[in-house]
Amino acid sequence: GENVEQHPSTLSVQEGDSAVIKCTYSDSASNYFPWYKQELGKRPQLIIDIRSNVGEKKDQRIAVTLNKTAKHFSLHITETQPEDSAVYFCAASRDDKIIFGKGTRLHILP
Amino acid sequence: EAQVTQNPRYLITVTGKKLTVTCSQNMNHEYMSWYRQDPGLGLRQIYYSMNVEVTDKGDVPEGYKVSRKEKRNFPLILESPSPNQTSLYFCASSFNGNEQFFGPGTRLTVL
Repeated sequence: GENVEQHPSTLSVQEGDSAVIKCTYSDSASNYFPWYKQELGKRPQLIIDIRSNVGEKKDQRIAVTLNKTAKHFSLHITETQPEDSAVYFCAASRDDKIIFGKGTRLHILP
Repeated sequence: EAQVTQNPRYLITVTGKKLTVTCSQNMNHEYMSWYRQDPGLGLRQIYYSMNVEVTDKGDVPEGYKVSRKEKRNFPLILESPSPNQTSLYFCASSFNGNEQFFGPGTRLTVL
């Protein structure tokens, strides 16, 4: 079946440093790639997304890159802050079915 | 306020006792979906609906039913719950199947 692999499962970075989370997908028909942040005890919320006709998108300290040929996309968080501590999920979608990665728990160390 | 609501938020039940988790959205979204979240497994799609009277299986549909008789409601039905359905369930809606707006979650325990 279709699959989204997400790495690493846990990531610890020093406050102020950058964090990178990577995902690969198997369904070449996927055309929408969102990233969700889930804080402890809360619901997932969209933080950034990218469509298949774009290679990179940036929103302040957050950026996402997409390589359709290699079928992988990445989330980059710069100048990390304590409030960035959460679980992050990538996903791949083709307008109907959505496949999520297993998540990355990001710890920001003081 | 634009939102997705789920009820109940917490439920403890016993094996085999039919239950329904309701989901409602007030954003006039056509797309609605149910997910379960389990430690180490992330979010897995159970069923989704692209419009009224249209439902499709996600990745883990076994043991679940859904219906979409009205645009705003998308209930999840467990006809005969089993302990392996103990999980955190999220309903979500979206305008076109892209950005998902999640409900607050329903924590279900099946004894």
